[in-house]
Amino acid sequence: DAKTTQPPSMDCAEGRAANLPCNHSTISGNEYVYWYRQIHSQGPQYIIHGLKNNETNEMASLIITEDRKSSTLILPHATLRDTAVYYCTLYNFNKFYFGSGTKLNVKP
Amino acid sequence: GAVVSQHPSWVICKSGTSVKIECRSLDFQATTMFWYRQFPKQSLMLMATSNEGSKATYEQGVEKDKFLINHASLTLSTLTVTSAHPEDSSFYICSAPKDPRSYTEAFFGQGTRLTVV
Repeated sequence: DAKTTQPPSMDCAEGRAANLPCNHSTISGNEYVYWYRQIHSQGPQYIIHGLKNNETNEMASLIITEDRKSSTLILPHATLRDTAVYYCTLYNFNKFYFGSGTKLNVKP
Repeated sequence: GAVVSQHPSWVICKSGTSVKIECRSLDFQATTMFWYRQFPKQSLMLMATSNEGSKATYEQGVEKDKFLINHASLTLSTLTVTSAHPEDSSFYICSAPKDPRSYTEAFFGQGTRLTVV
């Protein structure tokens, strides 16, 4: 069962930051928050993950609230190639249960 | 980075036949692999966990006799859809954590598009 909820779609202007929210209010103490994205008809691509601290890598930043019940993925400068479905998922004992994801539309 | 490869990328088969999909970890040993199914415009649904040298564990509602999983080596897991029917047409994706003992990223294959006619 999916344990995350995300808005079904979001729009973002090219060059602007895209902020994708995720609610995971039933997260347990040893579950990590992972973000993947999927471009049409391809396998999911790893973006970033974290437990309770904010994380940043070359692709994105992950902000996790102090109570860990929600998080936000930030793409600092969205490009047209970032148009995809973004999945926030919880990871425990190696299993990912995917929610419905957010379709991010980056517009010129 | 680590790579997981699936074969074939797409397959069309006749109703009633069986189809085998391979999932390989190319540069790491995967003691555990996962199989997902994705219908159009829907999310990925976990079907089963494939364990090297032992029986796979299936998620609730997934028919183990229809979706046969074999994980005979540390780099290969196979999913066989037996007696395929049109409703089995879907996108099948495998994934493998590089190290199941720690919280690292899991790598996904590119997926296999199955069409049953």
